[in-house]
Amino acid sequence: NAGVMQNPRHLVRRRGQEARLRCSPMKGHSHVYWYRQLPEEGLKFMVYLQKENIIDESGMPKERFSAEFPKEGPSILRIQQVVRGDSAAYFCASSQLDSGGFGETQYFGPGTRLLVL
Amino acid sequence: SQKIEQNSEALNIQEGKTATLTCNYTNYSPAYLQWYRQDPGRGPVFLLLIRENEKEKRKERLKVTFDTTLKQSLFHITASQPADSATYLCALDRDQAGTALIFGKGTTLSVSS
Repeated sequence: NAGVMQNPRHLVRRRGQEARLRCSPMKGHSHVYWYRQLPEEGLKFMVYLQKENIIDESGMPKERFSAEFPKEGPSILRIQQVVRGDSAAYFCASSQLDSGGFGETQYFGPGTRLLVL
Repeated sequence: SQKIEQNSEALNIQEGKTATLTCNYTNYSPAYLQWYRQDPGRGPVFLLLIRENEKEKRKERLKVTFDTTLKQSLFHITASQPADSATYLCALDRDQAGTALIFGKGTTLSVSS
């Protein structure tokens, strides 16, 4: 059973370019979460999606960042006009609802390390 | 807002000893608390989840306690091995709705042989 897959693992962009990060959840999981980890800081929640729906984007910057989880295909985190401060590790996690209706345990992918030059 | 603290950035212990990591939280009553392990350059790996109505949970050499009065969780690794060296993250649910997790900054454990 394949785990959460993310690609690319490393991404280098120049300031002003667009970055697209992809995440394929674990088989059977319908919930996807994106987190950002800056150097020397903890993981910070960005956005929570279910298929074709953004459930909670309260942790995502209002500008330049967007996320989607289409009916078919991976979830995409898109960062437009990247700046140096966007350099970080971006992790995707997935979960499935338990009997209580909560998506408790989140399983993480290996992350995409974005470097903005 | 919720705050979660892991009060040791680094912990160094000898092989065979028990490592004890602490996680404290404020301004919140989480439905559950989780511990993850993260190795350099890798994603966090789920270890254990403990619910608010559970006092203790074990998995092999790992033990987690959850004291909702003290607002604290302790994470123990018994008979530690060099392979246990990693950063351990404490996380709690943000709003009891199965959405965001709030993570501590982690404690980096080094086990020397």
